[in-house]
Amino acid sequence: AQSVAQPEDQVNVAEGNPLTVKCTYSVSGNPYLFWYVQYPNRGLQFLLKYITGDNLVKGSYGFEAEFNKSQTSFHLKKPSALVSDSALYFCAVRDLQRGNTPLVFGKGTRLSVIA
Amino acid sequence: SAVISQKPSRDICQRGTSLTIQCQVDSQVTMMFWYRQQPGQSLTLIATANQGSEATYESGFVIDKFPISRPNLTFSTLTVSNMSPEDSSIYLCSVLQASVGELFFGEGSRLTVL
Repeated sequence: AQSVAQPEDQVNVAEGNPLTVKCTYSVSGNPYLFWYVQYPNRGLQFLLKYITGDNLVKGSYGFEAEFNKSQTSFHLKKPSALVSDSALYFCAVRDLQRGNTPLVFGKGTRLSVIA
Repeated sequence: SAVISQKPSRDICQRGTSLTIQCQVDSQVTMMFWYRQQPGQSLTLIATANQGSEATYESGFVIDKFPISRPNLTFSTLTVSNMSPEDSSIYLCSVLQASVGELFFGEGSRLTVL
């Protein structure tokens, strides 16, 4: 079965500092990985995805994520955090071997960027 | 990218009543899903809405409680039946755009059951 773990409920970072939001996954086949962001009272917005190719994926708003197969991780990163990045971040996975299946989401990590 | 409209965006409902949420997509999509996000929680898949056939429900969700319609490739409804306060959640419609392999979400419908 597919699963995603986001070990941190909350991440606090000062504006201008680098940020990392952690994600590890478990699938039986090859993973299809996503990061979504949810701002207050809004739906989910797509940030970035990994299918194949370069392990470092660049996405919206200056975010990037690194796929690490040996550690089964897909941590979200940004070199310099903005206060406007404060939101709820979800990592999600789909098993490519299982065709067009829905995504399984992590529990979410609340990012708070402090000015 | 697919544009998804959900109605209502929010509602306050009385215990024991039912509410139907509508999801309209601006393009034809094969895969449509309904998720629930309870307060402070992650997203949980309720069911896959299949066009022309019965929805496929995940463990813990049943058709009597969450009947789903999918009359065509651009529209689906989710009904939350006989509501109780535990049903207070955000309900999200999503579609898989297979050509890009991405899942797009509506803005969600925030239900509060009193």
